[in-house]
Amino acid sequence: AQRVTQPEKLLSVFKGAPVELKCNYSYSGSPELFWYVQYSRQRLQLLLRHISRESIKGFTADLNKGETSFHLKKPFAQEEDSAMYYCALSVETSGSRLTFGEGTQLTVNP
Amino acid sequence: DVKVTQSSRYLVKRTGEKVFLECVQDMDHENMFWYRQDPGLGLRLIYFSYDVKMKEKGDIPEGYSVSREKKERFSLILESASTNQTSMYLCASSLRGTLIYYGYTFGSGTRLTVV
Repeated sequence: AQRVTQPEKLLSVFKGAPVELKCNYSYSGSPELFWYVQYSRQRLQLLLRHISRESIKGFTADLNKGETSFHLKKPFAQEEDSAMYYCALSVETSGSRLTFGEGTQLTVNP
Repeated sequence: DVKVTQSSRYLVKRTGEKVFLECVQDMDHENMFWYRQDPGLGLRLIYFSYDVKMKEKGDIPEGYSVSREKKERFSLILESASTNQTSMYLCASSLRGTLIYYGYTFGSGTRLTVV
């Protein structure tokens, strides 16, 4: 079965520093990868989809099939980036269900 | 413009009680999901449904059941609540065939405490 691993439960950086949230997955086929974010007292919401190769709020993520990773990166962290981030995966055999990682709590200090 | 509504934000129930968590969406989505969210464990899928009266087990269905009598409503039932079911429960929905474009729409969650 497919699995998503986020090795860092907590990540703390200073404002203006680069940030990278790690996501590794186990699946031998071609997955769809996503990043979701939950700000304090808000709903979980979609941040990025690997298929679109977009930059949202300065964040980017590249799917590396060789390393089975989908790390989330931002060159200059802002305080408003403080939130819980979840990596998620969908595979063709599982229909529309998403498998989520354990989550990483990012804190950006002033 | 709330689109996925979970009926209760906080709920406290006693061990052994039968508990109903309700979720309603107004986006005409075919797919609906129930997850529980626990620190360090992330989101784990309990049950999901791709159509009315249809249900499928997720990764952790034990102790739960669901009901989907209408397209817009998906209910999670704890047959006999236990303390290890204390958690945040998240409902989500998606339009068939659009997951890779729009992802899920989540509700605000129900924090259930079983005492």
